[in-house]
Amino acid sequence: EAGVTQFPSHSVIEKGQTVTLRCDPISGHDNLYWYRRVMGKEIKFLLHFVKESKQDESGMPNNRFLAERTGGTYSTLKVQPAELEDSGVYFCASSLTGAAWETQYFGPGTRLLVL
Amino acid sequence: GDSVTQMEGPVTLSEEAFLTINCTYTATGYPSLFWYVQYPGEGLQLLLKATKADDKGSNKGFEATYRKETTSFHLEKGSVQVSDSAVYFCALSASSGYSTLTFGKGTMLLVSP
Repeated sequence: EAGVTQFPSHSVIEKGQTVTLRCDPISGHDNLYWYRRVMGKEIKFLLHFVKESKQDESGMPNNRFLAERTGGTYSTLKVQPAELEDSGVYFCASSLTGAAWETQYFGPGTRLLVL
Repeated sequence: GDSVTQMEGPVTLSEEAFLTINCTYTATGYPSLFWYVQYPGEGLQLLLKATKADDKGSNKGFEATYRKETTSFHLEKGSVQVSDSAVYFCALSASSGYSTLTFGKGTMLLVSP
C-alpha cells in the first residue's frame, strides 16, 4: 500500500511568488493534516481536513495560505505571495478516523526556500 | 495550551551505549503520547506510542513509559547502533476531539562506530 506522498520534494522561489504544494494521503484515509517546521523550531500544526471539509484551521499563519481538498482525496496548500518567513519543511499526514490515539502517517515533506 | 519539551541535542554516543532522550509535556486530561523518528532524507515515521497512563510503548529496541505523575515520556534504548542516527520527536495529541499533534523541537542523535 502506498504511503503519503508529497510534491514537490523541494521548491526554491523568490519572495512575492506563488507556490502550490500537493499531498496525496493514504487511500481511504478521511483525515488529512498539514504541519510545518521552520528551521530550529517545533513542527507546528497548520490545519486538518475531514474528507473535503476543514475541521480545524487554527494553525494557519495568515490569509496568504490557502488549503483545499476537493473531492476529499488529495490536498493542495498554496502560498501567495510567499514571504521569507514561509521557508521551512511542510509535512502532510493522514489517518483513518482522526482519533487522538490513532497514528498519523507522514509524507516525506516539501522543503520550501523563499529567497 | 498543550506543549512538549524535549532535551536539546545533538546527543552524541558511541555504538552500544545506552540512550535516554527526555520528554515532558503539559496538557489537560490524558493525552496520547508518541515518539516519531526522522532518518536522514526521509519523512517522519512513528517509532512508538502510549495511549494511557503507565502504558509502555516499544519498537526496534526502543521503549518509553507514559508517566502521568511526572508528565513524562522518556525514550530509552539499551544499546544504540549507527543506524539509529536520526532526529527524534516527542509529540502528544489531546484527549478529546479530533487529534492534532503537538511536537517538541526534536533531538538529533548521532551514533559513531
